[in-house]
Amino acid sequence: GQQVMQIPQYQHVQEGEDFTTYCNSSTTLSNIQWYKQRPGGHPVFLIQLVKSGEVKKQKRLTFQFGEAKKNSSLHITATQTTDVGTYFCAGQVEGGNTGKLIFGQGTTLQVKP
Amino acid sequence: NAGVTQTPKFQVLKTGQSMTLQCAQDMNHNSMYWYRQDPGMGLRLIYYSASEGTTDKGEVPNGYNVSRLNKREFSLRLESAAPSQTSVYFCASSEILRSEQFFGPGTRLTVL
Repeated sequence: GQQVMQIPQYQHVQEGEDFTTYCNSSTTLSNIQWYKQRPGGHPVFLIQLVKSGEVKKQKRLTFQFGEAKKNSSLHITATQTTDVGTYFCAGQVEGGNTGKLIFGQGTTLQVKP
Repeated sequence: NAGVTQTPKFQVLKTGQSMTLQCAQDMNHNSMYWYRQDPGMGLRLIYYSASEGTTDKGEVPNGYNVSRLNKREFSLRLESAAPSQTSVYFCASSEILRSEQFFGPGTRLTVL
């Protein structure tokens, strides 16, 4: 079936270090969304990427959508303790007529102060 | 605006019992979703409703039923709970399919 794989599963960094999580799909995606979930909380939407090769920035966060629309990445520059949480990518299949989001397993980020 | 609300927040059931999880949104969204979240599995779609009056199966619909009661409310029913249904359940809504989803606070369900 359609799958979205996300790596790494866990990442521990020292505050101030950079962090990247990668998302790969077995099929071409029409768009990809990124969500953040704080410990004990619910997923919160961060951004949506639609175009091939698209790059978007939100302060220290940089999101990329691959040229083939099968992969994406989230990069955080100079992590802070407020960045702690689990980051999920979620893709919608190209050509599909539904709104089904296929979520990756998530990358849990721990930041040591 | 409350956004997406879910009741109850916590629930413990015995195997074979039934229950309904309630979800409501006040953002006038057309589409609503039910997910379950298990450790290391991400979020998996159980059922969704593209618009009032329609429902469709997601990845893991077995053992569940849904009702889109009106535009605001979307309920999830477990007819005969099983331990494998122990999970955190999230309801979400979006303006239309393919737009950003807003999640409720979740229901933590344990089936003994």
